[in-house]
Amino acid sequence: DTAVSQTPKYLVTQMGNDKSIKCEQNLGHDTMYWYKQDSKKFLKIMFSYNNKELIINETVPNRFSPKSPDKAHLNLHINSLELGDSAVYFCASSQDRSTSGKYNEQFFGPGTRLTVL
Amino acid sequence: EDQVTQSPEALRLQEGESSSLNCSYTVSGLRGLFWYRQDPGKGPEFLFTLYSAGEEKEKERLKATLTKKESFLHITAPKPEDSATYLCAVQAGTGRRALTFGSGTRLQVQP
Repeated sequence: DTAVSQTPKYLVTQMGNDKSIKCEQNLGHDTMYWYKQDSKKFLKIMFSYNNKELIINETVPNRFSPKSPDKAHLNLHINSLELGDSAVYFCASSQDRSTSGKYNEQFFGPGTRLTVL
Repeated sequence: EDQVTQSPEALRLQEGESSSLNCSYTVSGLRGLFWYRQDPGKGPEFLFTLYSAGEEKEKERLKATLTKKESFLHITAPKPEDSATYLCAVQAGTGRRALTFGSGTRLQVQP
């Protein structure tokens, strides 16, 4: 059973196109994230949703719009794709806090490699 | 601003040759420090969470430790299957749930 899944795995598209990446988690978690991993392998947070509510929105171009139809899904839509958007995008999920009050680890999906030509 | 610095960038070991990876951090009130393993073409795989200085966690050949300024991932008698990129991340006490990652240490263990 896949805990956090993303589709597609690979996405190759032309500049100016609009594309979406889908993410689903079957862990029952209440918080989901989108991270971007650039060519230098740095993972940076883009967005976070808790119970379908946007709680983190880093300095990301308006062309990126996350949508969470329910707690188990977080999709990423990108308008007017640019060359610099080429990267690997990771979805992750976590349960906000354990019964001990500590923050829990995040589980990551396999990633979507986006190539903009 | 939260910062995480990992060293070395790359490490090549012979099978059985123990070593340590370093993660130095600056964060506004540490909520948790996380270690992940990432294999090529895959997402990060969770290894450990450390919450306070002095805490240690172990899993097979890996042992993570935490001080107020840094964390170490000790690898004892590594095997080729331990080859991967090891990522360190911190979660700040500002209410943000997002992780701030370091750039990772690429470990290669040769037979």
